[in-house]
Amino acid sequence: DIQMTQSPSSLSASVGDRVTITCRASQDISNYLAWFQQRPGKAPKSLIYVASSLQSGVPSRFSGSGSGTDFTLTISSLQPEDFATYYCQQYNNYPLTFGQGTRLEIK
Amino acid sequence: EEQLVESGGGLVQPGGSLRLSCVASGFTLSSYWMQWVRQVPGKGLVWVSRMSSDGRNIAYAESVKGRFTISRDNDKNTLYLQMNSLRVEDTAVYYCARGYGIALWGQGTLVTVSS
Repeated sequence: DIQMTQSPSSLSASVGDRVTITCRASQDISNYLAWFQQRPGKAPKSLIYVASSLQSGVPSRFSGSGSGTDFTLTISSLQPEDFATYYCQQYNNYPLTFGQGTRLEIK
Repeated sequence: EEQLVESGGGLVQPGGSLRLSCVASGFTLSSYWMQWVRQVPGKGLVWVSRMSSDGRNIAYAESVKGRFTISRDNDKNTLYLQMNSLRVEDTAVYYCARGYGIALWGQGTLVTVSS
């Protein structure tokens, strides 16, 4: 199985900050990497697919990059609604696997 | 508006069965890969199963293989997850989701396996 490791596991930041979350795959996954946001008590929301493409309706302050084994999610200027947990997922090799999540909290 | 709405969750005893449904609206479900993902409350996301748009490519997580079956009724625009021989560790919120890579999620349905 491909292991997906996110760092950090938790992060405190302020409104307006630039934040980067990293996701590392245990083997090459090309660009089959997605990012999701989950607010407490809510279903996940899709943010990014194929590592760097923004899902429709997602604000442009979100961006993704990377290929192979190393990927990043960047939020350029944090807004209050961005405080949530973020997950990465590789989706080309079975079993599909998620990272453990990164909890983004208000400082 | 494109939407997925799950139902069918509830309390079931170990060894029992449940069938989850996921009704799609605003799009034709058979045009997309579809999948199920679960989440123990307070824990992370875990992939369960995925089905291709033509229904020929189906895969399961090892933990549910042989017990769970993903299927689709195109006339009803509905995705299903038949869950048999349920175990306590299957307790989770189950989400249906659209896409080879997920683009759209349902709101989830809670399955509790307990005696």
